Formats: sequence, structure tokens, C-alpha cells
Amino acid sequence: KQEVTQIPAALSVPEGENLVLNCSFTDSAIYNLQWFRQDPGKGLTSLLLIQSSQREQTSGRLNASLDKSSGRSTLYIAASQPGDSATYLCAVRANAGGTSYGKLTFGQGTILTVHP
Amino acid sequence: DTGVSQDPRHKITKRGQNVTFRCDPISEHNRLYWYRQTLGQGPEFLTYFQNEAQLEKSRLLSDRFSAERPKGSFSTLEIQRTEQGDSAMYLCASIHGAGSGANVLTFGAGSRLTVL
Repeated sequence: KQEVTQIPAALSVPEGENLVLNCSFTDSAIYNLQWFRQDPGKGLTSLLLIQSSQREQTSGRLNASLDKSSGRSTLYIAASQPGDSATYLCAVRANAGGTSYGKLTFGQGTILTVHP
Repeated sequence: DTGVSQDPRHKITKRGQNVTFRCDPISEHNRLYWYRQTLGQGPEFLTYFQNEAQLEKSRLLSDRFSAERPKGSFSTLEIQRTEQGDSAMYLCASIHGAGSGANVLTFGAGSRLTVL
């Protein structure tokens, strides 16, 4: 059974800092990995998706890396802003016979607070 | 059609009552997922549909839970004889089954259930 763990559970940083969120998973046979953002009481917004064959993806100030063999991914946020405050969730999709039909397993999230 | 729609956004009910949630996915998405999220946790998989066929159900989905997607478009999730432990956010997500869009799961804003 796939298990996804995110560290730290919560993080508070001053505005402008660069920061790293960590995600680890127990079964390396994944199809892809996706990072989401969730604002309080809201649904999930997809940030970045990394296919199993890829090493990293970038979008603006966000960079996500994937080391499938060691079961790890990191989300790097550059020059953090108060608007980045949210819960960040990592999710891995199982490799169902090489298709995208595997279900997504989520970590418990990292609560990020960026204070001015 | 700008995203995944869920209704109602918030439902408060008394223990023992039945509740039904509706999800309207993005129109061209043939796969639809239901997840449940409790406070401080990541979403947990409940079930998913490929068109109108329910292909997988989690063990979390007890006999009191039933989901349908009768015409392969919208889906409903019904909980019978609600219990306080059913209080959670119920999230719906959809994804295109093929092509370059087959990877990014798009979530709705969720339906929050409070059982008194």
C-alpha cells in the first residue's frame, strides 16, 4: 500500500525567504506526482505535475523535483510571499499497467504561513 | 464550462439523515473521482468512474455510501443514516482519459458535511 509523507507538517517563514517542502512515498512504481495548493475551506488547485520519467518541473517561482528511485519529491518556492500561505499537498498516482488509471494517494500536507 | 462544480457547498444535517452531493465534472472529462478529506489530513480516495462505470471503490466506502454516474456526466454521492464520523469535506475531481490532458486532476471546491 502506497504511503505518502510530507515534512514539515507546518512551516512559518518571513516574506522573501526561499523554502523547500518535502514529500516521500513508499512505492516507487508511480505514474506521476502532482503538487497541489489548498486554501482554507477550499478545493485543491494543481500547481505542478511531474511524470515518472521526468526529474523536475518549473512554473514561475515554483520548482518541483522528483527522485523516483529514492521515493522523494521536493517543492521549492522562491522569494515567498504572504499570498503563498496555504496548505501544500503532494500526491502520487499509481502506475496501473503503464496507464494513468491508478488512483492518487495524498500526503497529509504542509501548512505554510508566510508573514510580512 | 470553467471547472468542476459541486453542490451543495455546505450541508448541515442531523445524525441518521440521508444526504446527497452532486458533482458536475468538466464536460470532456470521462473520469470522475470522489475523495473525502477530514481536518488536517490529505484527501482519501473513495471511488472513481470511467464514463458511467464505477471501476473502483475504497474500503472506506461503507454500505451506507453509494455513488452513481448514470449518464457518464454528473455524479452523485449519497450517504445514508449519517453518523458524526461522516463529517468531512467531500471532494470531486475529473480528468480526461487520454492525450496530453490525461494527467492533471482538476478538483471542485468541495462539499462540506457537518453531522450534528
